[in-house]
Amino acid sequence: DGGITQSPKYLFRKEGQNVTLSCEQNLNHDAMYWYRQDPGQGLRLIYYSQIVNDFQKGDIAEGYSVSREKKESFPLTVTSAQKNPTAFYLCASSPPGRERGEQFFGPGTRLTVL
Amino acid sequence: AQSVTQPDIHITVSEGASLELRCNYSYGATPYLFWYVQSPGQGLQLLLKYFSGDTLVQGIKGFEAEFKRSQSSFNLRKPSVHWSDAAEYFCAVSQTGANNLFFGTGTRLTVIP
Repeated sequence: DGGITQSPKYLFRKEGQNVTLSCEQNLNHDAMYWYRQDPGQGLRLIYYSQIVNDFQKGDIAEGYSVSREKKESFPLTVTSAQKNPTAFYLCASSPPGRERGEQFFGPGTRLTVL
Repeated sequence: AQSVTQPDIHITVSEGASLELRCNYSYGATPYLFWYVQSPGQGLQLLLKYFSGDTLVQGIKGFEAEFKRSQSSFNLRKPSVHWSDAAEYFCAVSQTGANNLFFGTGTRLTVIP
């Protein structure tokens, strides 16, 4: 079955450490996204990528970095520069064409800073 | 700038009662509109979408939504709520030809027996 996988489901990090969240899709979608979700704030866009080897900052990119070396993969690194990284992180992808506003979501990774 | 407002943070309904979740958007042209549902600790699942045409759209799980241009609204409805509908619901908007979705802050639905 096609879909988006995120790993791990739960992640714990010590302050000052970088950590990388995995996102893989087998939907053959060109565009991929990372969102951060905090209680009462909905989803906020961190980074997105429309094509391999290209990505753009979203609304809250500071303290995060991404890469897009393969169409299927869009890993997110939470760096030590991110002051409040504890949150639920969601990866999504979207098909080309008029439906590109429609996004398909992975199950999420919950990051906790200890 | 685009924005999406979901004025109800939390709604409680009895099982079997009807449901309406409100969504208002701010955008100059006709946007693409979406409703997503999220169970606790899970990703988002698309309930329904509006691109153009008939302003009443049907979705999965018995949900429907009506686009009202004059009110800039896209309210979600269900005639009879089931206990399994308890979740958080997000309205989202994107503009024609764009990739990005703008989300509302969500409405948490509680269903009581």
